[in-house]
Amino acid sequence: QQQVKQSPQSLIVQKGGISIINCAYENTAFDYFPWYQQFPGKGPALLIAIRPDVSEKKEGRFTISFNKSAKQFSLHIMDSQPGDSATYFCADILTGGGNKLTFGTGTQLKVEL
Amino acid sequence: DTEVTQTPKHLVMGMTNKKSLKCEQHMGHRAMYWYKQKAKKPPELMFVYSYEKLSINESVPSRFSPECPNSSLLNLHLHALQPEDSALYLCASSQGPRMNTEAFFGQGTRLTVV
Repeated sequence: QQQVKQSPQSLIVQKGGISIINCAYENTAFDYFPWYQQFPGKGPALLIAIRPDVSEKKEGRFTISFNKSAKQFSLHIMDSQPGDSATYFCADILTGGGNKLTFGTGTQLKVEL
Repeated sequence: DTEVTQTPKHLVMGMTNKKSLKCEQHMGHRAMYWYKQKAKKPPELMFVYSYEKLSINESVPSRFSPECPNSSLLNLHLHALQPEDSALYLCASSQGPRMNTEAFFGQGTRLTVV
């Protein structure tokens, strides 16, 4: 079922630094690319999402960069805070395939003081 | 109200038991999903319901039986499970099929099969 490759698997960043997580996909039919944040014991929550006709989207400290030709997209967390420590999943949705939402492998982010 | 409510939060069942997981949303969403998540792994799609009809079954064993009684409710009936079925079961909903909208997830049911 895995169709999105995500890296790194884990990431440690100092408070105030930039966290960068990358994802690569294969199926060009995907038409929506969300990022989810999951804290231990909780369900995933949507952080930010992008469509493939947009190269960048920014919401507060979170930015998605999308490279359609390379079939890659990345999440940048500016001014990382300890409260950002969580697992981050990129995902893709094939709306023509019944809204099949498939997650990447996940990145465990730890922001240290 | 942007909440997906799952009950129970925790469930321990024997391999011969029959139990059900419940999920409820009142956002008017017409697509509902069941996911299974093992520790340190991403959620894996099990089933998708669109307009109360099963639209996707990801080759899930028949010991898992989904049911969508109405547009607000989603159940997952469990029977003769195996210890390896122990996991966090997540329910989600979104506005509808063929729409690039946010999927809202519940907090999950932590299932342990003994």
